[in-house]
Amino acid sequence: KAGVTQTPRYLIKTRGQQVTLSCSPISGHRSVSWYQQTPGQGLQFLFEYFSETQRNKGNFPGRFSGRQFSNSRSEMNVSTLELGDSALYLCASSLDRAKTEAFFGQGTRLTVV
Amino acid sequence: TQLLEQSPQFLSIQEGENLTVYCNSSSVFSSLQWYRQEPGEGPVLLVTVVTGGEVKKLKRLTFQFGDARKDSSLHITAAQPGDTGLYLCAGRQLNTGNQFYFGTGTSLTVIP
Repeated sequence: KAGVTQTPRYLIKTRGQQVTLSCSPISGHRSVSWYQQTPGQGLQFLFEYFSETQRNKGNFPGRFSGRQFSNSRSEMNVSTLELGDSALYLCASSLDRAKTEAFFGQGTRLTVV
Repeated sequence: TQLLEQSPQFLSIQEGENLTVYCNSSSVFSSLQWYRQEPGEGPVLLVTVVTGGEVKKLKRLTFQFGDARKDSSLHITAAQPGDTGLYLCAGRQLNTGNQFYFGTGTSLTVIP
């Protein structure tokens, strides 16, 4: 059974640009959550998608957005990139909203220069 | 402000020693998970505890959930170099779906 797949693994962007990250959850899992991990702040929740709807959102500016497709794959988008957006972006897959376990992908390392 | 505080933040021990990592909060959680993360990789789930007072063992690792479901601990017996990594606790609260609140992390180094 394949795990959570995130693409790309590494990305370098310039300030002001926008970026789209992709996450394919474990087969059969319908909930996808996104987290940002930085050395200073640790793992911070961005948002959760279930059945193509955003169910929960963390305390991040509107430049951070996401969506989920009918096959449960999810994308997150960051517009007008800032240096402080440099981080490891992690996607977590869960069977549904009632199950307690979340499984993470390897992450996308975004560097903004 | 972190909802979950972990201690210690850094730990460097010799192979064969025992250690305990603590995860504390003033909030109640419906469940708590422990992860281990290696540099540049995503966190790998170790265990989930859901009942107050629950104790789970995974080989040399023992996990405990506090009676009031506000805290947890991870105890490693006879640590090995392969245990090196960042240990993270993550709590889930009722009515917040799959939003997990992560602890500050404990970086463990086991010296051969």
